[in-house]
Amino acid sequence: AQSVAQPEDQVNVAEGNPLTVKCTYSVSGNPYLFWYVQYPNRGLQFLLKYITGDNLVKGSYGFEAEFNKSQTSFHLKKPSALVSDSALYFCAVRDYKGGSQGNLIFGKGTKLSVKP
Amino acid sequence: DGGITQSPKYLFRKEGQNVTLSCEQNLNHDAMYWYRQDPGQGLRLIYYSQIVNDFQKGDIAEGYSVSREKKESFPLTVTSAQKNPTAFYLCASRTGGVNYGYTFGSGTRLTVV
Repeated sequence: AQSVAQPEDQVNVAEGNPLTVKCTYSVSGNPYLFWYVQYPNRGLQFLLKYITGDNLVKGSYGFEAEFNKSQTSFHLKKPSALVSDSALYFCAVRDYKGGSQGNLIFGKGTKLSVKP
Repeated sequence: DGGITQSPKYLFRKEGQNVTLSCEQNLNHDAMYWYRQDPGQGLRLIYYSQIVNDFQKGDIAEGYSVSREKKESFPLTVTSAQKNPTAFYLCASRTGGVNYGYTFGSGTRLTVV
């Protein structure tokens, strides 16, 4: 079965330090992987995606992610965290299951807290 | 600007009532989705529609119903059969091809009073 795991419920980082939010996946075909960010009582904002091509994907607001096929991981990274990066982050993978192909399967989310 | 509009932003339901959440998109996307978000559980799929006049149950469809009479619209009805409806509801649409991706609305927070 397709699945996404975000092993950390919360990540705490000091402003200016690098940040990593972890994501691993399990999917039967070629993975379509996504990262979204959510601020309180708001919808999901797209950060970046991997469908094909370079394993290092650059996205919005200085975020990037590295697709690692052997480790089935797609960790989100940023070289220097900002207090405004504090939010809830979701990793998602496209479902390949029969008629539901195209649905997104989400991880449980990781709360990122960046302290000044 | 193209996007997805969800309304209302906040909705209060009395016990035994049916309520309908609106989702409208002007992106010309064929596929549309409804997700439910609860704290610590991520997003779970309620219903989805790949094309007009067709829709399928997701993982947690019990107590919900949808319609897809127009490409632009995918309303979700929370029926009285849904015993725990208090949650944040998100609508999304998807495009394919080289720009494959999903667009989300701003959500509706439903509270039972």
